[in-house]
Amino acid sequence: AQTVTQSQPEMSVQEAETVTLSCTYDTSESDYYLFWYKQPPSRQMILVIRQEAYKQQNATENRFSVNFQKAAKSFSLKISDSQLGDAAMYFCAYRSIKGNQGGKLIFGQGTELSVKP
Amino acid sequence: KAGVTQTPRYLIKTRGQQVTLSCSPISGHRSVSWYQQTPGQGLQFLFEYFSETQRNKGNFPGRFSGRQFSNSRSEMNVSTLELGDSALYLCASSSGQGAYEQYFGPGTRLTVT
Repeated sequence: AQTVTQSQPEMSVQEAETVTLSCTYDTSESDYYLFWYKQPPSRQMILVIRQEAYKQQNATENRFSVNFQKAAKSFSLKISDSQLGDAAMYFCAYRSIKGNQGGKLIFGQGTELSVKP
Repeated sequence: KAGVTQTPRYLIKTRGQQVTLSCSPISGHRSVSWYQQTPGQGLQFLFEYFSETQRNKGNFPGRFSGRQFSNSRSEMNVSTLELGDSALYLCASSSGQGAYEQYFGPGTRLTVT
């Protein structure tokens, strides 16, 4: 069974600085998808970024980028130029490409990010 | 496009009762997944419905059930509520194909007393 681990329960960053959130996962599959979701105090889960395992190029979405190391099974999220609105719980998630597993996301425990003005 | 909607947003029930939660996916999406979020267990997958069929199921007791209608709207039912069922229940909508990004609703906060 696949597992996702986020080893940093809490992180803090100064406004305008850069922060990296860590995520490792375990799987025997060679193809899969990885996601980062953000959950602000409103509890609305927001998709931040996705990465396809078969793509070597790291995904980027504006100030958000990932460092995907397939061999190490590592998927970290880098937030550049941090803003107060980035404060939230961040979840790393895994999804199998197998047809009958497609609707199932496996989440890590989350990292609570605070942004200091 | 309208986002995922969930009703009701808040619910208080008594132990032993049953409850039905509703989720309307993004227009055109055929897949709805349900998750339970608690402080202790985190986010756990309940089940997924695609084109009115349950395609995948998590590790929850049979008291948790769901269904999907022809318009892709989905309902989740919990019978014989227990105190431990208190949680935020999230539904996620997806096209059901390709990268399969899931877009979440605002959740239903269920409190069992």
